[in-house]
Amino acid sequence: GQQVMQIPQYQHVQEGEDFTTYCNSSTTLSNIQWYKQRPGGHPVFLIQLVKSGEVKKQKRLTFQFGEAKKNSSLHITATQTTDVGTYFCAGPIYTGNQFYFGTGTSLTVIP
Amino acid sequence: GAVVSQHPSWVICKSGTSVKIECRSLDFQATTMFWYRQFPKQSLMLMATSNEGSKATYEQGVEKDKFLINHASLTLSTLTVTSAHPEDSSFYICSARETGYSYGYTFGSGTRLTVV
Repeated sequence: GQQVMQIPQYQHVQEGEDFTTYCNSSTTLSNIQWYKQRPGGHPVFLIQLVKSGEVKKQKRLTFQFGEAKKNSSLHITATQTTDVGTYFCAGPIYTGNQFYFGTGTSLTVIP
Repeated sequence: GAVVSQHPSWVICKSGTSVKIECRSLDFQATTMFWYRQFPKQSLMLMATSNEGSKATYEQGVEKDKFLINHASLTLSTLTVTSAHPEDSSFYICSARETGYSYGYTFGSGTRLTVV
């Protein structure tokens, strides 16, 4: 079954509001990556986190990797309609090189 | 930046026929490529890991004889859906990254397969 869970599954926000999606893995991850998939499109790489407790920012997006390296979050400040899409966390779950995606959070921004 | 080309973008085939999907890394070499399947409004489910010059590693529950993967070169992996059935209809997407790099993966644009 799915090893990496995300909550919420869906989120509707008014434009200008903040948004956060949480990612939880059943196992420790060596690194975690975040992707965005627009409706009808393919996933696009956003960022990678490697260190325990790491925090990275990309303009209005803030990414955090948990201390135990089993959870992560993505926070968007003052959402815009261009933020619409599904956000996935992903990472190598096992010691091999397989790469698994989280369940995803679909963001809808209401203008 | 890195570009992954996936063809065809969409295909309609009759039940019982086979369909081949190509995934090419255009400006880099990839020892490993991944094949995913995505149903509407769902996440990407890893089907198999394609390894250049060796057998693919399939995820539990994925039939290797039905989903044939060939990674004959460092820039090309193919997924062949054999004896396709309507339940194989889905969005198939590949990803790759340059060998030796540890950053994000680049995805192909995906293939929408419809089996009638």
